[in-house]
Amino acid sequence: GQNIDQPTEMTATEGAIVQINCTYQTSGFNGLFWYQQHAGEAPTFLSYNVLDGLEEKGRFSSFLSRSKGYSYLLLKELQMKDSASYLCAVRDIYTDKLIFGTGTRLQVFP
Amino acid sequence: GAVVSQHPSWVICKSGTSVKIECRSLDFQATTMFWYRQFPKQSLMLMATSNEGSKATYEQGVEKDKFLINHASLTLSTLTVTSAHPEDSSFYICSPSRDIQYFGAGTRLSVL
Repeated sequence: GQNIDQPTEMTATEGAIVQINCTYQTSGFNGLFWYQQHAGEAPTFLSYNVLDGLEEKGRFSSFLSRSKGYSYLLLKELQMKDSASYLCAVRDIYTDKLIFGTGTRLQVFP
Repeated sequence: GAVVSQHPSWVICKSGTSVKIECRSLDFQATTMFWYRQFPKQSLMLMATSNEGSKATYEQGVEKDKFLINHASLTLSTLTVTSAHPEDSSFYICSPSRDIQYFGAGTRLSVL
């Protein structure tokens, strides 16, 4: 079966750094995605990891360890506009389907 | 990123009517399109997978006669909610299958 876990809610202060963790169990792994979703909007693509290691893209970085079934999304220099839900999703190698975690609602305070 | 055009963005309809949602992949020929549904404060749930030129496959618990999917071309997939009821009110989002999966802007359906 497949299972994806991420914290439900997190809070942080403007200008700080926050790390959102995601653990997964899957029978066939073909990449892990992170998406940002603001209230009332569709998810927007942030990052894609298929190999172990860190992918950096501006203020956002994503890390993957396939052996541990673990990923994190790192957000630096937080801004108020970063307040959103962050969705971790794993792609199944056999069906190409994305399986989503419950999402982490991040609130950034001044 | 990929250009995925989905419309309408918002629709209000009376109970018992049907609503068609279109999803176009503007820069990519999508053999496969995924359709998701999202209820308030919940994550995305995959409803069905449409394949160009063949029948869609539905996830467990999704009524195929209620949610009609057509994928007539490599750039267009449609989802029709037939005989809509208030419990079908939700946010429907499409996503063409490719190396990096992007999403359409979503369609918010409100059934009165």
